Amino acid sequence: NAGVTQTPKFRVLKTGQSMTLLCAQDMNHEYMYWYRQDPGMGLRLIHYSVGEGTTAKGEVPDGYNVSRLKKQNFLLGLESAAPSQTSVYFCASSYWLATGYEQYFGPGTRLTVT
Amino acid sequence: DAKTTQPNSMESNEEEPVHLPCNHSTISGTDYIHWYRQLPSQGPEYVIHGLTSNVNNRMASLAIAEDRKSSTLILHRATLRDAAVYYCILRDVVANAGKSTFGDGTTLTVKP
Repeated sequence: NAGVTQTPKFRVLKTGQSMTLLCAQDMNHEYMYWYRQDPGMGLRLIHYSVGEGTTAKGEVPDGYNVSRLKKQNFLLGLESAAPSQTSVYFCASSYWLATGYEQYFGPGTRLTVT
Repeated sequence: DAKTTQPNSMESNEEEPVHLPCNHSTISGTDYIHWYRQLPSQGPEYVIHGLTSNVNNRMASLAIAEDRKSSTLILHRATLRDAAVYYCILRDVVANAGKSTFGDGTTLTVKP
C-alpha cells in the first residue's frame, strides 16, 4: 500500500496564480483532511471530508476550495494565491472509530507564493 | 473546545526514558487523548491513544492521571530517531471531524 500520497511535492507560484493540490489514499478511508503548517507552528485544519461528495470547513478555510469526487481523492484548490498562503500543506485520511480516529498523513507539499 | 498545554521543548539523553507531559484540565468525558509525533520534514504519525486506563504499544506508553486532567507519554529508551515534535490532542468522538486541531507540541531533542 502506498498510504497517503500528495502531488506535487514542491511548487512556487506568483501572487494571483491558481493551482490544485492532489491527495490520494489507498486505504479505503471515509475521512480526508487538508492541513497547513506554517514555520515553527502546529497544523491547522483547512477543510475536511467525511465521505465521497461531501466537504466541510475547518479552522482556516478562507482562500481555499476543495472537492471529493472520488472516495480515494481529495483536491485542494487555491484560486488566487497570496503570499500568506506560503506554507507546507499536509493531507491526511482516517477511519472514524469509536475511540477516535487514527490519521495517516502524507509527506506534504511545500508551497511558496512570491 | 478542550485544549492541551505542553512544554515547548524538552531534552533527553540517548537510551534514557523520556516523560512528555500534557495538561488538559477541561477534558470532557467523551474526549480520547491522542499523541502524534512529527519527524523533521515529514508528516505527523500516530503514536498512541487512550481514554482512562494506561496504554502500551510498541512505540510508547501513555499514562493518564486518575482525574484525566493530565497525561504523560513515555518513551522507554530514547533513540536519536525519536527526536521530533510531539503533539498531545484531544479527540471528541461525539463531535465531528472538524474538531481536529493540533497545537504547537513539544520539541524533543535527544542527545547522544
